Order: sequence, then structure tokens, then C-alpha cells
Amino acid sequence: EDQVTQSPEALRLQEGESSSLNCSYTVSGLRGLFWYRQDPGKGPEFLFTLYSAGEEKEKERLKATLTKKESFLHITAPKPEDSATYLCAVQAHNQGGKLIFGQGTELSVKP
Amino acid sequence: ETGVTQTPRHLVMGMTNKKSLKCEQHLGHNAMYWYKQSAKKPLELMFVYNFKEQTENNSVPSRFSPECPNSSHLFLHLHTLQPEDSALYLCASSLDRGSNQPQHFGDGTRLSIL
Repeated sequence: EDQVTQSPEALRLQEGESSSLNCSYTVSGLRGLFWYRQDPGKGPEFLFTLYSAGEEKEKERLKATLTKKESFLHITAPKPEDSATYLCAVQAHNQGGKLIFGQGTELSVKP
Repeated sequence: ETGVTQTPRHLVMGMTNKKSLKCEQHLGHNAMYWYKQSAKKPLELMFVYNFKEQTENNSVPSRFSPECPNSSHLFLHLHTLQPEDSALYLCASSLDRGSNQPQHFGDGTRLSIL
């Protein structure tokens, strides 16, 4: 069964304190792994897509990496405005575009 | 307007009411999705439409009835809902269901069942 597990469930950082969020997955043929950011009262906002092991994507203070079993979202020198819930989702081949989501990591960055 | 727009943003209804949620996308996409997001649970896919045709119903109770009149609009008709149906309902769109391009989400309708 295709599955996505994110850890930790919640993460509290001081401003400038770098860290990583983990997304472990099991899927029968990965088509793509997606990272989203969700602010309270809002829908998920697309951040990155990773398609194959070894791929990396960067955007401002965020960097996403992918292996055959997991993805990391590295946050370098975070700011309070990076506080949000980060969602990971996988798409498998032959599943018609269906995304399987993890439970998310709630990130809080204190000034 | 750009992106994916959902209305209403908030909805409170009794268990015997009938209401509808609306989603509109201005991205030129051909696939549209309904998801349910409950507290502390992963997003659950409910329905998928591709070029106006329903391609997936993820074992959703019949009290939820989707409608997709064209590739830009998606509705979710609600009737005789239960308290456990209270959740955030999210609409998303993508280029098409066979694509590995990302889905783009609206801000959802927060539904409360009394």
C-alpha cells in the first residue's frame, strides 16, 4: 500500500536555526513527490516537485532533496514568516494523478 | 482573477439542509479534484474529474454529489450531512489527471455541521 509519513509532527525553531523536515514514502513506482506549504485558513501552496532520486530543488531558504525512500525539506536560517504546515505528497504511476499526502509538519519559527 | 477560487469560504448547515460548494479555476487546467481535510489527518481525495468526466470516486458517501459542467467549474452538492462531515473542503486543479504536473489548490470551504 502506498504510504507517506512525515516527521516530526511539529517543530519549533528559533529564527536563524536551520533544520530539516522528513518525508518517508513507500510507493509502487514514484511518478513525482510534491512539497506544499499551508498557512492557517488557506489552501496548500505548491513549493516543489521532485521526480527522481538525487534531484534537488531550491527556493529562497528552502531546499528539497529526494532519495529512493525519503525526501528532506531543508530550511536554512528560517524567519518567522516561514512558520506554516509543510505537506508532502507522492504520486504513483498508473494512479491517475492521485496524490497521497502525509500528515504534515507544523513549523513554528520564533523571533 | 487568477488561480483556484472557492466559495463560500465558510458554511454552517444543519443535517437536513442542502447546500453546494463551488470551485472555479482560471489556470486553463483540465483536471479538477475535491479533497477533504480534517484536523490532524492527511488530505483525503474524494473525487477526480478529467475533461469534465468523473474518473475517480474514492468511496465517498452518496450524501456528497459532485458536478463538473466544464473544465473550469466544479461543484460539490451536499445533503443530509453528518457531524463527522465537518471539515475543510479543498478544490484543486492540474493540467490533466495523467500529468505529473503539480495540483494547485484553492483556499477551501470550512464546513460546520450542526
